[in-house]
Parts: sequence; C-alpha cells; structure tokens
Amino acid sequence: EAAVTQSPRNKVAVTGGKVTLSCNQTNNHNNMYWYRQDTGHGLRLIHYSYGAGSTEKGDIPDGYKASRPSQENFSLILELATPSQTSVYFCASGVTGTSYEQYFGPGTRLTVL
Amino acid sequence: GDSVTQTEGLVTLTEGLPVMLNCTYQTIYSNPFLFWYVQHLNESPRLLLKSFTDNKRTEHQGFHATLHKSSSSFHLQKSSAQLSDSALYYCALRDNTNTGKLTFGDGTVLTVKP
Repeated sequence: EAAVTQSPRNKVAVTGGKVTLSCNQTNNHNNMYWYRQDTGHGLRLIHYSYGAGSTEKGDIPDGYKASRPSQENFSLILELATPSQTSVYFCASGVTGTSYEQYFGPGTRLTVL
Repeated sequence: GDSVTQTEGLVTLTEGLPVMLNCTYQTIYSNPFLFWYVQHLNESPRLLLKSFTDNKRTEHQGFHATLHKSSSSFHLQKSSAQLSDSALYYCALRDNTNTGKLTFGDGTVLTVKP
C-alpha cells in the first residue's frame, strides 16, 4: 500500500504569517501534487512536481509556493497567509504509465485567523 | 482546458435502491482517461475505478462505470446501495501529458439511509 504522510495534521495560523505544510512519500513516485479541498469546489490543484528539484504551477497557484528538495518530500509554503486560504490541504503522489493513480495523504486542516 | 461536471451536489437514497452518479467531461484529446475517487468522512480520497477504453464496463467493489466517448460521460452506478456507500464521490479526468495531473469535478455527496 502506498504511503503518503502530511504534517502538521492541523494548523492555526495568523493572517500575514508564514505557513509551511510538509508531505512525505515512501512510494518512490516521481510525481507529487498539492490540492486544496473546499465545499462546492472539489479538489483543486495548487502546485505539482515531477521530480526532485522541479515545481510547476497548478490551477490555483496564487499565494502559494512549493518546494521539492528530494524524491520523498514536497512542501507547500504560504508566505503571507490570508483567511481565504483556510481549507483542507491534501498531498498526493503518483506515477505515470498505465496506472496514473494518485495516492493521497491524510490531509492538513489549516485555519487562518 | 479540461473540465469535469458532476451535476448532483447531493444525492440521498434509501438502502437497497440503485445508485447513479453523473459525470460528464470536456477535453480536446481523443483518448480521455477517467477516474472515480471516493472519500469517506474524515478520510482522504482513494481510487474507486478508472477507465480509458470506450464502451467497456469497468467494475470494482460493487460499483461500475462505462466510458462513453460519444456522450463524453462516465457515470458511476451500483445496483443496490449500502449504508457504507455514504461518502463524497469525485469524477476526475487525467491530463494528456506525462504529468499525471487530474481535473476533478466538484464532487457528489451520497447519503444512504436505512
């Protein structure tokens, strides 16, 4: 079974503060993704990476940065957090080929006050 | 760009009745790859089933779906709903590049009552 972990699981931040969400996968997958989940909007892609050292913008990258220092780790960074970034964030990893399945982490609930 | 539409935001059923959740998609590519993900309460999404073969039924865990390119649809069905089927269901379309990116629909919350 694929393993993706996220930390922290819950986070309360203040407006204007810096927030870093971390993701680790032990699947040796090349691709990793960050999504946010909001009621009525489904899962929206923020940033993704197809290998160590690479990051690409997803559909809603504004206000977020990403970092992929290694195959296993992929971070999402909010330099200046805003209340509109209050959400549940999911990290996922996946492989290309015939499967293309993505394996999701447990999620991080972020509240920005 | 690609898009996925799930017309029902909320579906409520009585146990034992059939389930059908709608999914249609738009893409310029001729070989779409469609997925259904399921997310139970306080859990993360996980793959339920997938298909890229036109007009072929794919099944998993009692659910089935058939990709119809002619109508750009990939509806999820089950013959008899169970209480444990209550969950959030997402339809997703794979990007046609090697990134494996998925475009998700807004999701359908299925509630099965006794």
